[in-house]
Amino acid sequence: DVKVTQSSRYLVKRTGEKVFLECVQDMDHENMFWYRQDPGLGLRLIYFSYDVKMKEKGDIPEGYSVSREKKERFSLILESASTNQTSMYLCASSRFGTAKPNNEQFFGPGTRLTVL
Amino acid sequence: GDSVTQMEGPVTLSEEAFLTINCTYTATGYPSLFWYVQYPGEGLQLLLKATKADDKGSNKGFEATYRKETTSFHLEKGSVQVSDSAVYFCALLVKGAQKLVFGQGTRLTINP
Repeated sequence: DVKVTQSSRYLVKRTGEKVFLECVQDMDHENMFWYRQDPGLGLRLIYFSYDVKMKEKGDIPEGYSVSREKKERFSLILESASTNQTSMYLCASSRFGTAKPNNEQFFGPGTRLTVL
Repeated sequence: GDSVTQMEGPVTLSEEAFLTINCTYTATGYPSLFWYVQYPGEGLQLLLKATKADDKGSNKGFEATYRKETTSFHLEKGSVQVSDSAVYFCALLVKGAQKLVFGQGTRLTINP
């Protein structure tokens, strides 16, 4: 089974702190994704990566950056955390480097981040 | 742009009731369609999928049929259980795109 793990389930940070969220997948997937999940808004894509050192902005990249130095690891960085970044953050991965009709995404358990 | 609209929740049913969660979409071309489920405290997991018109996805007693003429992918189950309580997300993947587009999610609660 594919496993996607995230470094923390719960995280509390202060406004202005630099925050790192880590995600690791163990199935050699090319694509990795970061979403945030907010009530009533569903999942919104922050960034994704289709290869090592490659990244593309999603729908809401402002205030975030990402890093993918190794294929299995995709990090989300909040350069200066703000209270409106309090949310659930979900990481996902999928197998193929280019889109396939049934390209399933596998999700991690999520990190609930609170910024005070 | 591409979008997914789900029926608003929360939805509360009694055990053994019939379930329908509506999902309609707007997309260029012919997308693949998915239902994901999120149980309390967990990440999302794929429930079922359909890749072309008239395909029916099914899993764990849930079904959804890809209806091109009505641009819909409604989720149904004939007899729900307490263990089906979760948040359900409809999503689409446009061919040639890398990313899923999700609906807002529907919270389902099943009472014994």
